[in-house]
Amino acid sequence: QKEVEQDPGPLSVPEGAIVSLNCTYSNSAFQYFMWYRQYSRKGPELLMYTYSSGNKEDGRFTAQVDKSSKYISLFIRDSQPSDSATYLCAMFTGGGNKLTFGTGTQLKVEL
Amino acid sequence: DSGVTQTPKHLITATGQRVTLRCSPRSGDLSVYWYQQSLDQGLQFLIQYYNGEERAKGNILERFSAQQFPDLHSELNLSSLELGDSALYFCASHGHDYGYTFGSGTRLTVV
Repeated sequence: QKEVEQDPGPLSVPEGAIVSLNCTYSNSAFQYFMWYRQYSRKGPELLMYTYSSGNKEDGRFTAQVDKSSKYISLFIRDSQPSDSATYLCAMFTGGGNKLTFGTGTQLKVEL
Repeated sequence: DSGVTQTPKHLITATGQRVTLRCSPRSGDLSVYWYQQSLDQGLQFLIQYYNGEERAKGNILERFSAQQFPDLHSELNLSSLELGDSALYFCASHGHDYGYTFGSGTRLTVV
């Protein structure tokens, strides 16, 4: 079993839709959670970084963490074609330790 | 520009050859992480250096080695290359704000 599970998609939605992306994890030592966006296999770009359980909002993006269920989510409101990319969840235990990634979900937002 | 610089951007080489990938971390960051991204494996952690010292190893083959120099740039050496080594290789650096910033990657093609 992988430490981090993420549905690979692809996920196709119409412009303006609300997108929900999810990851589950098995290692309860993970304390820090991130979401990255990757365009066409360019370098991953950090979107959201959270520590505690609960919600964190940044513009059209909301990151949600539920440590009791070992479940994290990223919501994208009013999705745009420019949001079409692969979204990777990542997490680490702290202290500068390595990031462990999900496999990524490919998202396509269509006009 | 993420502040993490990787060279070269593309590399095409033959099986059995040796290549060196270079990474300069974001200014002020002491840690460098190397990741491999192939089509069917996602982002796999290879190795981490902190201020010149190896700190953690992941799924790095014995044919691969790395080092971090006093100026904090890092090199990943890949030898006896095989077709299966074709992938994107990313490095990331990490600072006190716990942000992991990725470079734009080196695309290695082994023919």
